Amino acid sequence: DTGVSQNPRHKITKRGQNVTFRCDPISEHNRLYWYRQTLGQGPEFLTYFQNEAQLEKSRLLSDRFSAERPKGSFSTLEIQRTEQGDSAMYLCASSPGQTNHIYFGEGSWLTVV
Amino acid sequence: DQQVKQNSPSLSVQEGRISILNCDYTNSMFDYFLWYKKYPAEGPTFLISISSIKDKNEDGRFTVFLNKSAKHLSLHIVPSQPGDSAVYFCAAVNRDDKIIFGKGTRLHILP
Repeated sequence: DTGVSQNPRHKITKRGQNVTFRCDPISEHNRLYWYRQTLGQGPEFLTYFQNEAQLEKSRLLSDRFSAERPKGSFSTLEIQRTEQGDSAMYLCASSPGQTNHIYFGEGSWLTVV
Repeated sequence: DQQVKQNSPSLSVQEGRISILNCDYTNSMFDYFLWYKKYPAEGPTFLISISSIKDKNEDGRFTVFLNKSAKHLSLHIVPSQPGDSAVYFCAAVNRDDKIIFGKGTRLHILP
């Protein structure tokens, strides 16, 4: 069990550029979550998947954000035309389903300059 | 609408004493409540949970109490240790396994 893996761990990008984050969940975990965390806030729900099906998207996920989990294993979170307000830590988590908690990765820091 | 609220941004407790972290929620339909601990530059790690049908769950130094009528839960850490200094997040799980987090409370354990 290697844990939830996220990369890149840090990304600095210029405003207007696109960025993509990848998450590899714990093996055989069928639930995968994306959260965003900014300073002084708790993790804010963005979206989650049951296998390859996206179950819900938060209102926080504007049209510039898209998440996929094409084969029900790893997931990507893409942000198009980044804005300074997108600067945050993006957290991925997974669970085997029917469990009362989720396992987080170490997060991907995004800084938009 | 903030469904999970942690109204104390920070808390300082003497080493060896009891730390009590509080959390309030607004939705009666949550199935489970969770506590996570977070160190800087790391992802949150799971500490302890409680089912909505229980009023107490204990795991070593950590005990979580749930008061459904008040829509309130608390995490007790006793005795507090220096390694407990971190940010603690309360979270609630709905029937679709969607998990909503509070804003967190920063706990400082004083020597």
